[in-house]
Amino acid sequence: DAGITQSPRHKVTETGTPVTLRCHQTENHRYMYWYRQDPGHGLRLIHYSYGVKDTDKGEVSDGYSVSRSKTEDFLLTLESATSSQTSVYFCAISERTGGEDTQYFGPGTRLTVL
Amino acid sequence: GNSVTQMEGPVTLSEEAFLTINCTYTATGYPSLFWYVQYPGEGLQLLLKATKADDKGSNKGFEATYRKETTSFHLEKGSVQVSDSAVYFCALRVKGTALIFGKGTTLSVSS
Repeated sequence: DAGITQSPRHKVTETGTPVTLRCHQTENHRYMYWYRQDPGHGLRLIHYSYGVKDTDKGEVSDGYSVSRSKTEDFLLTLESATSSQTSVYFCAISERTGGEDTQYFGPGTRLTVL
Repeated sequence: GNSVTQMEGPVTLSEEAFLTINCTYTATGYPSLFWYVQYPGEGLQLLLKATKADDKGSNKGFEATYRKETTSFHLEKGSVQVSDSAVYFCALRVKGTALIFGKGTTLSVSS
């Protein structure tokens, strides 16, 4: 399972409140990613990181920020949650084997914004 | 740009039926292609992959062949089981870019 955990696994919050989701990995992978999964959209990339303090935006980054102060932790923050951010959030790492990068996913966090 | 198109579901089959889930792609450059599976309430798991034209990825009885001439990577299984019920995602990655997913196809297998 590539040693990825996410916390919390479920969260219900109210519009306008800040929310932080945590992704933790135990295998020292350099690349980490945050995706959101919505019906009819598949998975869409929010932000990714290519090292400590090195991050970049993905396809749907508006309203989200990230931080990576340690290799093992990648945090996703919703500064002021909105109902449109109700979704399932997945963290992933990238592992290189045989010259090819393959992504492995965490178990997900289901976020509901009321 | 890069994109993936999957057949829309849901796909409903009886146990032991033959499965095909179509996937076609558009890419600049030479992508690697992937199938991921998501069982109810779980995260995505890599099912199989292929990194160059004519490669065949296989795992757990599932197969997919990278067809450059038709830009396709169709998923097949000869005899599905109830335990195969899940959502299947086709994805591509061009080197140096992010993974691009299709919208997913829900498979439901009944006994």
